[in-house]
Parts: sequence; structure tokens; C-alpha cells
Amino acid sequence: EPEVTQTPSHQVTQMGQEVILRCVPISNHLYFYWYRQILGQKVEFLVSFYNNEISEKSEIFDDQFSVERPDGSNFTLKIRSTKLEDSAMYFCASRQRPGTDTQYFGPGTRLTVL
Amino acid sequence: QQPVQSPQAVILREGEDAVINCSSSKALYSVHWYRQKHGEAPVFLMILLKGGEQKGHEKISASFNEKKQQSSLYLTASQLSYSGTYFCGTERTGGSYIPTFGRGTSLIVHP
Repeated sequence: EPEVTQTPSHQVTQMGQEVILRCVPISNHLYFYWYRQILGQKVEFLVSFYNNEISEKSEIFDDQFSVERPDGSNFTLKIRSTKLEDSAMYFCASRQRPGTDTQYFGPGTRLTVL
Repeated sequence: QQPVQSPQAVILREGEDAVINCSSSKALYSVHWYRQKHGEAPVFLMILLKGGEQKGHEKISASFNEKKQQSSLYLTASQLSYSGTYFCGTERTGGSYIPTFGRGTSLIVHP
């Protein structure tokens, strides 16, 4: 069964450093998402991406965040200058169509900011 | 606006049944149910679309009452493997069709 993949599985970084989290969505999916989950809390929406542009973003997704689809397969989340509170699990998800289709989550990247 | 889940936690013995509820203050287009085990990604269980449908997946089923803006997940004859946190994700009618997740219900099944 096709699946969403994410790399790395765990990233440790110093406060103020830039990180790039990578995702490969399911190949025939058109809608891509990033979510964040702080330990013990709910899954929070960050951003959605369709047709090579951001379609919606939450208030969490401020200027330090950016997303890109540099080629036909990868979907990246960049955090420009990490803060301690950015420590969380970051999940990528993809979907063929919104509204009716299943949204599949990747295994996540655990980001630890020291 | 996030959906409200209840109860926050359920502790069961193997073979017992449980019901987890998810309600919204907004009109819903669909409800997604996921199970997440500690340190892992949410795993999709089922999606229910408006129209008041019910769905089943092994011994796990769900209903969606569009008029009441709520969904319920039914776990029957629970197994140890059912332990985890169950999240509902709702998509609003006329919204952006991006699931908003509840805080989750922790389910623990004991032998």
C-alpha cells in the first residue's frame, strides 16, 4: 500500500538554527499538509498546499515557517530560526481530494530544539 | 474551531465495549477517525460523510449524525491492540476541507 514517508525521523538542533523537514507524499495525491503535535497534546494544523502554493495556513504558521515542493515528489517544511517551543512531532499528510478522501499521515519527524 | 471529544479517557478490560463521542458547534461535512499509539503517527480508521452514514471496520464502527453535528465511534469486544488515543477530525460545511482535530480520547485495554 502506498504511504507517506518523512525524513529524518528525529532531528536535534540548537535554538536559532534552521531546519528542513522532508516529506514524500503519496504519488497521485494533490493536496499536502503539515501538522504539529506537541508531546501529549492534540494534532494541530500548520499549512495546506495545493497546485504549488499555500492554500491555507494557521496562526501557528508565522514568518519563520515556509513550505516548498522543490520537485515532483518532495514536500518540505523549513523553520528558519528554531525556538524551544518548536520542539514537537511534525507530521506530513497527503490526500487525493479534500472533503471526501482519506488523509494519510506520514510517520512524523520528532524535532528537539535545545 | 476544534471538535469536543468525550470522554477524555476510557479504561476497559478485554472484551468490553466503549463509545467515544465527537461533537462540533459548526455544521459538518465529514468526520475522520484516527487511532494513534504512543510515539507513532495517527492511523486512519474511517471517514464519514454528511448524510448520516454509518461505517464499520472490523469490530470498530462509527455513526455520523449530521443534524446533531456529532459522531460516535463504537468499539465492541475490545482487544489489547485497541489501546491508544482516538482522535476525531472534522471538516466544516462550506469550510476549507481541512480536518480540525479534537484533543483525543485515551483508551486503555487491560487483559
